[in-house]
Amino acid sequence: DTAVSQTPKYLVTQMGNDKSIKCEQNLGHDTMYWYKQDSKKFLKIMFSYNNKELIINETVPNRFSPKSPDKAHLNLHINSLELGDSAVYFCASALAPVYTGELFFGEGSRLTVL
Amino acid sequence: LAKTTQPISMDSYEGQEVNITCSHNNIATNDYITWYQQFPSQGPRFIIQGYKTKVTNEVASLFIPADRKSSTLSLPRVSLSDTAVYYCLVKNDNAGNMLTFGGGTRLMVKP
Repeated sequence: DTAVSQTPKYLVTQMGNDKSIKCEQNLGHDTMYWYKQDSKKFLKIMFSYNNKELIINETVPNRFSPKSPDKAHLNLHINSLELGDSAVYFCASALAPVYTGELFFGEGSRLTVL
Repeated sequence: LAKTTQPISMDSYEGQEVNITCSHNNIATNDYITWYQQFPSQGPRFIIQGYKTKVTNEVASLFIPADRKSSTLSLPRVSLSDTAVYYCLVKNDNAGNMLTFGGGTRLMVKP
């Protein structure tokens, strides 16, 4: 069983389109995250949710809207896609928001905007 | 948050011990040092975490000197499958996992 799973793994779309990436974790964790990894491999946090509530939004354009229907799911919806949105997006989960222990990542969703 | 500096890349050969050093000069008293490994087309995976001296698990060892301004990840007898990017992170209870991973160290293990 995959602990943190994301779909789709690959997404190719045109500028201006709207797309969503889904994430589910079966670890029973309270906290989930979205990270963006650019071409230089820097992995930057975008959002953090704790038990369905948004706790961190790291200056991400409001075209990005996370949604958490329950604490096991955190989906990312992106409106009006731009070329600069091309990246690999990783979902992750942790036991609690303020916690120094292990962060569990999904396999990533590679988004290419043409 | 403490900034970390690590080499961009390293090469090694199968069977060798690999040591990757990370500098974190402004580490705070309540900061922990954590290392992650990322294979191509996968998410980062937790390897090891420590606060001071030495920590060892089945994958690696982490050496932290008394001043804690640096740390060294040691991978014993690497194999081709250890080729990956290794990230050093410094974090504390206040920041938790709200962190940006730096560029990491790209380790290439050759036959």
